[in-house]
Amino acid sequence: GESVGLHLPTLSVQEGDNSIINCAYSNSASDYFIWYKQESGKGPQFIIDIRSNMDKRQGQRVTVLLNKTVKHLSLQIAATQPGDSAVYFCAENRKNNAGNMLTFGGGTRLMVKP
Amino acid sequence: EPEVTQTPSHQVTQMGQEVILRCVPISNHLYFYWYRQILGQKVEFLVSFYNNEISEKSEIFDDQFSVERPDGSNFTLKIRSTKLEDSAMYFCASSESEWRSGNSPLHFGNGTRLTVT
Repeated sequence: GESVGLHLPTLSVQEGDNSIINCAYSNSASDYFIWYKQESGKGPQFIIDIRSNMDKRQGQRVTVLLNKTVKHLSLQIAATQPGDSAVYFCAENRKNNAGNMLTFGGGTRLMVKP
Repeated sequence: EPEVTQTPSHQVTQMGQEVILRCVPISNHLYFYWYRQILGQKVEFLVSFYNNEISEKSEIFDDQFSVERPDGSNFTLKIRSTKLEDSAMYFCASSESEWRSGNSPLHFGNGTRLTVT
């Protein structure tokens, strides 16, 4: 079925290293993607978004890459810090949606070791 | 930085009772949403709301659910007769515009944990 999913449920990295979190989507009609960070006891926090007419978008310490050929999305975090420890979700919006009905992936837990 | 606020943070209710979850979206936002997250599962869309009416809803959002914007600042989700399976985190979100008109991601509140006993 159509879904947004994540390859790795848990990612453990050393502080200062770069992190890469991956997401696969199956619906080629998806044209807007968002990465959210969720810390314990809090709601999803917007990190970065990208539209399907782009391959790459950079923010502060974060980069999102979109590969439409293989329907793959990744979030790169540079110089990972302990404060980056959280669950990361990718979410998609589809062209046939009237509004902002995001479909979320299952999440990847990022653990940063000091 | 402006934020979406939700109250209460935790609500415990008995099965069959009505609950109202409250949200104050970001003040200049025009689109409002409710999502929920059952423990250990994905965040799921419930409903979107614009111009005082529902613009989209999911299969989860059945006749037991309703939303309302009673004044210029609050946005509420009502569950008329709660069931055990309604236990979840309920997140309110808002956005400045619909995604089609530009980059306007959803900003989420910290949620209300609803426990139905």
